[in-house]
Amino acid sequence: LAKTTQPISMDSYEGQEVNITCSHNNIATNDYITWYQQFPSQGPRFIIQGYKTKVTNEVASLFIPADRKSSTLSLPRVSLSDTAVYYCLAEGNARQLTFGSGTQLTVLP
Amino acid sequence: DSGVTQTPKHLITATGQRVTLRCSPRSGDLSVYWYQQSLDQGLQFLIQYYNGEERAKGNILERFSAQQFPDLHSELNLSSLELGDSALYFCASSGLEGRNEQFFGPGTRLTVL
Repeated sequence: LAKTTQPISMDSYEGQEVNITCSHNNIATNDYITWYQQFPSQGPRFIIQGYKTKVTNEVASLFIPADRKSSTLSLPRVSLSDTAVYYCLAEGNARQLTFGSGTQLTVLP
Repeated sequence: DSGVTQTPKHLITATGQRVTLRCSPRSGDLSVYWYQQSLDQGLQFLIQYYNGEERAKGNILERFSAQQFPDLHSELNLSSLELGDSALYFCASSGLEGRNEQFFGPGTRLTVL
């Protein structure tokens, strides 16, 4: 299984850029990294997915270095509504879907 | 609204009982995933079905079972319930086998008394 590790929590201020890093060992050659956002008592919501280098969409960027042992989710100019838990998901060799422990991001005014 | 529906929204039952949770995927999605989320363990992958066939198994207990029907809806059966089974159970669906984003339902909150 591709085990993932994330910081338990992070604080930021409105308008700042936030970078959340996920470490993933044993990631297989054809595995993807996906990030989800979850608000309390709601199902997770897809943010971004990538394989290597950099992927950008309208809400975030995802950086995956050449060795693919980590990935960084970048949220530009966060707002109070970005306060949530962020999960990193790696698809492991056995096709088991291992979510990280999640990072509680708190955005302060 | 993700397009994934789950019923019931809440379920309260007693230890030793059996319950069935139901999930309807987004229209056209062939994959269904089940997850358990409890306060102390985060989001745990249980099982995945693709077009009626089991595709991947995670940390699913032997007391739990699931199936996906020809109309693609899925049911998760939990039996001999224990206090520790109290959790949020999420269903998700995706169009392809795990490479695309998963769309999560609103969840079923199970309370075992």
